[in-house]
Amino acid sequence: ETGVTQTPRHLVMGMTNKKSLKCEQHLGHNAMYWYKQSAKKPLELMFVYSLEERVENNSVPSRFSPECPNSSHLFLHLHTLQPEDSALYLCASSQDVRGRPEDNEQFFGPGTRLTVL
Amino acid sequence: DAKTTQPNSMESNEEEPVHLPCNHSTISGTDYIHWYRQLPSQGPEYVIHGLTSNVNNRMASLAIAEDRKSSTLILHRATLRDAAVYYCILRDGYSGGGADGLTFGKGTHLIIQP
Repeated sequence: ETGVTQTPRHLVMGMTNKKSLKCEQHLGHNAMYWYKQSAKKPLELMFVYSLEERVENNSVPSRFSPECPNSSHLFLHLHTLQPEDSALYLCASSQDVRGRPEDNEQFFGPGTRLTVL
Repeated sequence: DAKTTQPNSMESNEEEPVHLPCNHSTISGTDYIHWYRQLPSQGPEYVIHGLTSNVNNRMASLAIAEDRKSSTLILHRATLRDAAVYYCILRDGYSGGGADGLTFGKGTHLIIQP
């Protein structure tokens, strides 16, 4: 596999369920990101990880819990979500650390389409 | 972050050039101009970036105004596969390096007519 992969591609869950989204990058990058794309709204940055440490949390509710066990994998654990959390969740990675910021191109996965009932 | 302004949508014919404008009047001296696009049912993908000089790559060209308050993404010969939402994004070139999330606006929805 190449690039950034995300599983599952589609997920339907009830408000009391617990589920996890998985992201894997095969690019040797050191930074990984979670974004949320709701209908008719711009993409919103949720979390940023650099070398497995969280470096940014954009005021995301605690019902979203990220985990980065190593630089190739990123998870988003979901629990007691609300219907308004239904959205496309996108994972991305970039070279990070020693790269020039202006060259720190981000590579996105295809996203997980989440529906909360 | 400095803000960008783009038209909501544009329409063009297949095999013709497309010029996608972006205004960024509050751009700072260290901001780089990046373009990403999002094809239907896919995540965004990088297109091109520049600082002051015009830039060309295999996907597109980027023309930057002399005062840097606006820029134009140029697709030289649009195909149906270029139909996407195009995002113009400013990124600080001196943020200290490292991980830096992108701030997306609404972008321009490009429609290509056959």
